[in-house]
Amino acid sequence: DAGITQSPRHKVTETGTPVTLRCHQTENHRYMYWYRQDPGHGLRLIHYSYGVKDTDKGEVSDGYSVSRSKTEDFLLTLESATSSQTSVYFCAIKGVSGEAFFGQGTRLTVV
Amino acid sequence: GESVGLHLPTLSVQEGDNSIINCAYSNSASDYFIWYKQESGKGPQFIIDIRSNMDKRQGQRVTVLLNKTVKHLSLQIAATQPGDSAVYFCAGEGGATNKLIFGTGTLLAVQP
Repeated sequence: DAGITQSPRHKVTETGTPVTLRCHQTENHRYMYWYRQDPGHGLRLIHYSYGVKDTDKGEVSDGYSVSRSKTEDFLLTLESATSSQTSVYFCAIKGVSGEAFFGQGTRLTVV
Repeated sequence: GESVGLHLPTLSVQEGDNSIINCAYSNSASDYFIWYKQESGKGPQFIIDIRSNMDKRQGQRVTVLLNKTVKHLSLQIAATQPGDSAVYFCAGEGGATNKLIFGTGTLLAVQP
C-alpha cells in the first residue's frame, strides 16, 4: 500500500454535519492528492498539496477544504456534508518517479 | 479544460487473447501518462507509465503506446488472464501543474 493509510475506512454521517477524512503517509513524499470516485465519473481530483501548507484546487473542489500542517498528513474536510458528497474518497501520494500510489479508500455515506 | 477519456466502457476478451484498452486526452501539454488497474473494493494500482519523449514502453505482459500527434494512448495486455479482470484507468499529467487527471475507466472482463 506504499505507506498510505486512510481513516476512517467507512463513515455514515448526517446532512449538514462536518466530516474530516485523514490521509497519512510514511514515505515523506511532497505531493498528496484527494480524489473522489463515483460511478460513471472515474476518479476526480478534489484538492492536492505540493508541500506543507501548500495546497491547490482540483476539478471538483466546491464544498471541500484541505489542510496539510505536516508532511505526513493531508486532511480533507467537508464543512457541511450533503448527499451529493456520498462517494468513495481516495488519497494518493506521488512517488519519486512521478507515479501516484493510492490508499485503500474511504466510503462516505451522507444520509 | 483538460480531460482524459476512454473509448469503451466495457471490453470482453477470451482468456489467452490479447487486450487493447484505448484512451484519448485533450491537453497538448500533458507529458506524463499512467495506466492503473482497479479491482473491486480496492484503490487503483500502478501498472505502467510513459513520458511524452517516448512512444512505447513495455512491462511484464503489458505495453503502453503513446501517439502524441492524435493525443491517444493505449494499453496492451498480452495473453489476458482471469486475474486481469478489473477496471483500467488512464491518467495524464502535465503543463504547469502536478495535477493527475483520470479518465472514466474501462471494465475488462476476461471470459474463461
